[in-house]
Amino acid sequence: GQNIDQPTEMTATEGAIVQINCTYQTSGFNGLFWYQQHAGEAPTFLSYNVLDGLEEKGRFSSFLSRSKGYSYLLLKELQMKDSASYLCASYGNNRLAFGKGNQVVVIP
Amino acid sequence: GAVVSQHPSRVICKSGTSVKIECRSLDFQATTMFWYRQFPKKSLMLMATSNEGSKATYEQGVEKDKFLINHASLTLSTLTVTSAHPEDSSFYICSAKTGSEQYFGPGTRLTVT
Repeated sequence: GQNIDQPTEMTATEGAIVQINCTYQTSGFNGLFWYQQHAGEAPTFLSYNVLDGLEEKGRFSSFLSRSKGYSYLLLKELQMKDSASYLCASYGNNRLAFGKGNQVVVIP
Repeated sequence: GAVVSQHPSRVICKSGTSVKIECRSLDFQATTMFWYRQFPKKSLMLMATSNEGSKATYEQGVEKDKFLINHASLTLSTLTVTSAHPEDSSFYICSAKTGSEQYFGPGTRLTVT
């Protein structure tokens, strides 16, 4: 089965760095996705990790440790538009299951 | 990135009627499409996995006779909510898988009155 855990909400200042954690237990694990979702909209793809290590994409980086069932998303140089929900999702046995999501509120 | 469309984006229907939602992959072929529903301030809940040319695989607790899924081609999957009730009101989102990536449609807001 799939069991994914994420903390729920955090507030951060513009320009700061935020780390969002995700732990998972997924049968047939084959990758960990991070998505951004603004209220009332569908999720948009941010990153995908299948091997251990850090993937960097501009201001966003994502890390995966398969042995620990752990991933994090790092948001740097926060901007107001980064205020959104961040969802991790693990892929296994042809299913993509989501965690509860972490709401990030960016303040001036 | 790849584009997935959904139609309609918003629908209001009366209790007891059926509603069909279409999901299309516009610039790629998707052998697998997924249907999710999302309640306010909650995460996405996987309803079913749809494979082209075969029956959908439903998640535990999802009624297959109520949520009919058809994946007739490599670019189209449909979800029909039959005999809709107010508790079916939700945000329905489809996604399509291509290679290692999965892209989401814009979602359909269903309101059952």
